[in-house]
Amino acid sequence: DVKVTQSSRYLVKRTGEKVFLECVQDMDHENMFWYRQDPGLGLRLIYFSYDVKMKEKGDIPEGYSVSREKKERFSLILESASTNQTSMYLCASSPGLWGYTFGSGTRLTVV
Amino acid sequence: QKEVEQDPGPLSVPEGAIVSLNCTYSNSAFQYFMWYRQYSRKGPELLMYTYSSGNKEDGRFTAQVDKSSKYISLFIRDSQPSDSATYLCAMSDNYGQNFVFGPGTRLSVLP
Repeated sequence: DVKVTQSSRYLVKRTGEKVFLECVQDMDHENMFWYRQDPGLGLRLIYFSYDVKMKEKGDIPEGYSVSREKKERFSLILESASTNQTSMYLCASSPGLWGYTFGSGTRLTVV
Repeated sequence: QKEVEQDPGPLSVPEGAIVSLNCTYSNSAFQYFMWYRQYSRKGPELLMYTYSSGNKEDGRFTAQVDKSSKYISLFIRDSQPSDSATYLCAMSDNYGQNFVFGPGTRLSVLP
């Protein structure tokens, strides 16, 4: 089974901190994605990557950046955390255009 | 109008009931249709997918697509308490350029 592992299940950070969320997949998938999930808003795509060192903006990239230095690892960076970035963050990978496998999520609280 | 609409629920049914979960969409270019199940504090997992119109059955689950009405359904027969989760529909065009999730329906199956 494909495993997508997110480094932290719960995080609490202060406003203005730089925050790193890490995601690793073990099945050599080309595509990796970062979503945030909020009640009533569903899943919203932040950034995605089709290859190493490649990144594309999703629907809500403001306040975020990403890094993909190795195929298996995709990092989400909150440059200066704000309270409106309190959310559940989900990483996913896929071999093609769909059929995503998700990690268990990181619940981030910014205080 | 949102691109994909889904009743958020919660939907509560007794064990053994037939459950019908639905999504409507507006983009006629969507060709791939998926259902994900998300247990509490976990990431979504792919349940079923269909291509274009028609039905697909997998055990107690049946996915149905009516492209003429832009309407998709997931039926769960003989529902079990272990089916209690949030169900998200997702859809994509042929090129994966537009991959969208519905907001999810929370289902509770009561013993």
